[in-house]
Amino acid sequence: QKEVEQNSGPLSVPEGAIASLNCTYSDRVSQSFFWYRQYSGKSPELIMSIYSNGDKEDGRFTAQLNKASQYVSLLIRDSQPSDSATYLCAVKITSGSRLTFGEGTQLTVNP
Amino acid sequence: DGGITQSPKYLFRKEGQNVTLSCEQNLNHDAMYWYRQDPGQGLRLIYYSQIVNDFQKGDIAEGYSVSREKKESFPLTVTSAQKNPTAFYLCASTMRGTSGPTLETQYFGPGTRLLVL
Repeated sequence: QKEVEQNSGPLSVPEGAIASLNCTYSDRVSQSFFWYRQYSGKSPELIMSIYSNGDKEDGRFTAQLNKASQYVSLLIRDSQPSDSATYLCAVKITSGSRLTFGEGTQLTVNP
Repeated sequence: DGGITQSPKYLFRKEGQNVTLSCEQNLNHDAMYWYRQDPGQGLRLIYYSQIVNDFQKGDIAEGYSVSREKKESFPLTVTSAQKNPTAFYLCASTMRGTSGPTLETQYFGPGTRLLVL
């Protein structure tokens, strides 16, 4: 089992729809969770971080964490063509430890 | 401007040649990381350093070497032992672990694309 697994993708949604990106992780003691967006040919940029169970909202983005189910998701409301990118889920087990990345989910938002 | 710089943007390696990728940060971050990304793949950790003069192997360290002589610099050498070096190389940095989880966000440089001639 991979340490961090994401929707295999690619995911395609129409403009204005909600895009849902999912990530599961294997280590139950994981503490910190991150979503990065990566445009083609560019480096990853942080979208959201979440540390506690529940929802965290930032503009059109909502991260959801359920530690009991070892599941973290990213919802993008009112999807725009500019949201088309690969989204990487990353997990940190303990403070100071390394990040482990999933393989990413490619999202396309169609005008 | 504070940030992470990587150079060069593109690098061409001849067979049997060692090449060095530069990574510099002026964020006063303690920890630095090198990742490799192949097309359509996630990030794989090559080496990381939590403090000056100390570094640890990641998941795919074979064929690579690093040094951490200064806090702001973490160069990566791709040696001739790395038989398939063509990839996108990303450097990242973060505050030290004891800073607490909210300060441990990892930030990335713009990357270096390495190609083999």
